[in-house]
Amino acid sequence: GQQVQQSPASLVLQEGENAELQCNFSSTATRLQWFYQHPGGRLVSLFYNPSGTKHTGRLTSTTVTNERRSSLHISSSQTTDSGTYFCAITGNTGKLIFGLGTTLQVQP
Amino acid sequence: EAAVTQSPRNKVAVTGGKVTLSCNQTNNHNNMYWYRQDTGHGLRLIHYSYGAGSTEKGDIPDGYKASRPSQENFSLILELATPSQTSVYFCASGDRGNTGQLYFGEGSKLTVL
Repeated sequence: GQQVQQSPASLVLQEGENAELQCNFSSTATRLQWFYQHPGGRLVSLFYNPSGTKHTGRLTSTTVTNERRSSLHISSSQTTDSGTYFCAITGNTGKLIFGLGTTLQVQP
Repeated sequence: EAAVTQSPRNKVAVTGGKVTLSCNQTNNHNNMYWYRQDTGHGLRLIHYSYGAGSTEKGDIPDGYKASRPSQENFSLILELATPSQTSVYFCASGDRGNTGQLYFGEGSKLTVL
């Protein structure tokens, strides 16, 4: 079946460092999204990015659909970036499938 | 900003009891979803709906029912709650169009004793 794999599972950074989160998916996805979840909180959509590169603030998402991968780059990390980042795809079943997430901790 | 509201936010239930989790969206989205989130499993889809009167089984529907009486409301029903259903439940709504973005509620923490 369709699988979404995220790496690394966890990441600890010092404030100001950059982060690169990876998402690989096992079959052609029609849509890809990145979500952020504050500890114990709601998931917020960061990017709807089925292909190409998108930017918002310090975040950049790049999806290469034919290579079945996407990345989320966080530049100049801040303590408020701490939380869990999820990648999710919509495959041929029409349902959204989530990866297990990358937990990011940014230390001051 | 799209709005999805869940209630209750916290619930303690007894084994064998009935639990209803409610979700309301003001986005006029056709699609609504119920997920549960557990450590080591990420988010898993329980039920979803394409519109009022429709419910579809997700990946883990056993032990759950769903109801979509209107465009705005989507409920998740546990007729006979079990401790294994202790989890955090998230409702989401989304467009049927090409944007595909999902908007999530704040989650409902359910503890079944």
